[in-house]
Amino acid sequence: DAGVTQSPTHLIKTRGQQVTLRCSPKSGHDTVSWYQQALGQGPQFIFQYYEEEERQRGNFPDRFSGHQFPNYSSELNVNALLLGDSALYLCASSTRTGVIGYTFGSGTRLTVV
Amino acid sequence: LAKTTQPISMDSYEGQEVNITCSHNNIATNDYITWYQQFPSQGPRFIIQGYKTKVTNEVASLFIPADRKSSTLSLPRVSLSDTAVYYCLGGADYGGSQGNLIFGKGTKLSVKP
Repeated sequence: DAGVTQSPTHLIKTRGQQVTLRCSPKSGHDTVSWYQQALGQGPQFIFQYYEEEERQRGNFPDRFSGHQFPNYSSELNVNALLLGDSALYLCASSTRTGVIGYTFGSGTRLTVV
Repeated sequence: LAKTTQPISMDSYEGQEVNITCSHNNIATNDYITWYQQFPSQGPRFIIQGYKTKVTNEVASLFIPADRKSSTLSLPRVSLSDTAVYYCLGGADYGGSQGNLIFGKGTKLSVKP
């Protein structure tokens, strides 16, 4: 049973560029959340998708956007990259019907230079 | 969602029992306490969740006193592979609304031989 799959694992981008990160949720999960984790900090909630709509959003600017597809997979897009966007981006999947705990992927390490 | 406070770091030796205490003075009536474990360059992994008294699984035990203002994660007979960051979270019941997770900085546990 595959867990949460994220791609790519590592990425280097230049300031001002745009990036797209991808996530496939665990089998049977229909809800996807994205988190940003800076070095030495806990993960910070970006947003959550369910039924192809953004359901909740954390304190992140509009440069951060996302999408969920009919197969429950999701993308995180970040425009106009800043040096401060360098972080580990984590995808977490869950269900809305009683599963305890989220399942996280191993993340995408984004470096902005 | 409850704000949690936990020690920044702890040291232990192989074979010892480790107890990590988390303070959550403003926990709401419907909040559960959940613990996650995170290894470097990996996403957090769900360990255990409880509401009150004691919960035990194959990995750990969770003790929550009657006033629910604190909780203690107990790891029996730790090994080197238990070296990780441990996060205590207070939040809504996962059986219903899938709220976002609020992580602090966690407790960095270092297990020495």
